[in-house]
Amino acid sequence: GAGVSQTPSNKVTEKGKYVELRCDPISGHTALYWYRQSLGQGPEFLIYFQGTGAADDSGLPNDRFFAVRPEGSVSTLKIQRTERGDSAVYLCASSPRQSGSYNEQFFGPGTRLTVL
Amino acid sequence: AQSVTQPDIHITVSEGASLELRCNYSYGATPYLFWYVQSPGQGLQLLLKYFSGDTLVQGIKGFEAEFKRSQSSFNLRKPSVHWSDAAEYFCAVGGWGGGNKLTFGTGTQLKVEL
Repeated sequence: GAGVSQTPSNKVTEKGKYVELRCDPISGHTALYWYRQSLGQGPEFLIYFQGTGAADDSGLPNDRFFAVRPEGSVSTLKIQRTERGDSAVYLCASSPRQSGSYNEQFFGPGTRLTVL
Repeated sequence: AQSVTQPDIHITVSEGASLELRCNYSYGATPYLFWYVQSPGQGLQLLLKYFSGDTLVQGIKGFEAEFKRSQSSFNLRKPSVHWSDAAEYFCAVGGWGGGNKLTFGTGTQLKVEL
């Protein structure tokens, strides 16, 4: 079946602009995660959704970052007033369910964001 | 707070040689441990995972890892490396307390010499 998809694959924007990054999880997966991977680093957790609600947003760096998942499937990560330090690869992952057992997270290919 | 340390940033091995990538973790409860591989332009692929039970776990592509609680380690091994194994390898820790979120190490870049 189809894996996790992310669009766009690359996004170049100017400092101060607003961007939206989209994640389509594997069909039927109720849990969805966003991570950010800066150059030379491992992925860092941003936010986790269980269904439509954000169960843990402790990794969002500041209030310029926001994510939604209105119908419990597709999620959008929104970044306002982008800064050069936001340049990174943004990874999305989904997993079948959260309760009852620990489930593998399946990662998408990422969106490379470059802020000029 | 949970954390992962991968002390080797770069490793170079000859094709056919054995490989060991080091990983040390810090976690307040029983950890779930993972190794992922990332090739250029590709997403993260799970190589293997440890949840409980046998401390030696087998994964895909001939990789294995051993969980050593006393050393807080989860080192990745392969007896004979292939040129196609050149990639970046990430160790990660997760657990119930964090809603299954993963904490990754900084990665080890593996180069394979022919």
